[in-house]
Amino acid sequence: GAVVSQHPSRVICKSGTSVKIECRSLDFQATTMFWYRQFPKQSLMLMATSNEGSKATYEQGVEKDKFLINHASLTLSTLTVTSAHPEDSSFYICSAVPSGGILAKNIQYFGAGTRLSVL
Amino acid sequence: AQSVTQPDIHITVSEGASLELRCNYSYGATPYLFWYVQSPGQGLQLLLKYFSGDTLVQGIKGFEAEFKRSQSSFNLRKPSVHWSDAAEYFCAVGPNSGGYQKVTFGIGTKLQVIP
Repeated sequence: GAVVSQHPSRVICKSGTSVKIECRSLDFQATTMFWYRQFPKQSLMLMATSNEGSKATYEQGVEKDKFLINHASLTLSTLTVTSAHPEDSSFYICSAVPSGGILAKNIQYFGAGTRLSVL
Repeated sequence: AQSVTQPDIHITVSEGASLELRCNYSYGATPYLFWYVQSPGQGLQLLLKYFSGDTLVQGIKGFEAEFKRSQSSFNLRKPSVHWSDAAEYFCAVGPNSGGYQKVTFGIGTKLQVIP
């Protein structure tokens, strides 16, 4: 149990285009999901908290108009990088916190990450 | 504010040797504590967690960690390292609030295992 699927695993795009990354909890429901960005040889930087049915909460310094988050169902959150530029190239990771069932409700389960390269 | 310090950025051990990865945290009360492992190009996998109770916590893959309140530490140990343990290890701390709130991750310790 507790599988989080993140898609795509790798994406290469041209500067100025938008990229959507999906995060799905496959076998549990998640009211709360998180989006992180990880730079090489660094820890995870929390970008935003995604809440099902409401607006995401962004961390200080994260542009909400550039990183659009939608959490339309209890099993899916999406991150759209709009008008991507080379400096947006990074490893993006999502996580989900179970909101019901037998899984512990205070543990994050992580997706495998998405490597975004903007040319 | 909560914070996590992993003082060792990179550690190299021989296969079969014992391992200890250090983690110190700063938090005003008893926290939730976690250790995650990340293989290259992958997400994070939970190794073990401490919420309350027994301060010695057993995890997956033969790992254990001990919560020491007096030292504000939660060091990860393994008695005999395998080559497949080579990865990056992250310690994390979160509020012990009964519900779920954001956790803070350390910078990570990269483990290299030599034959």
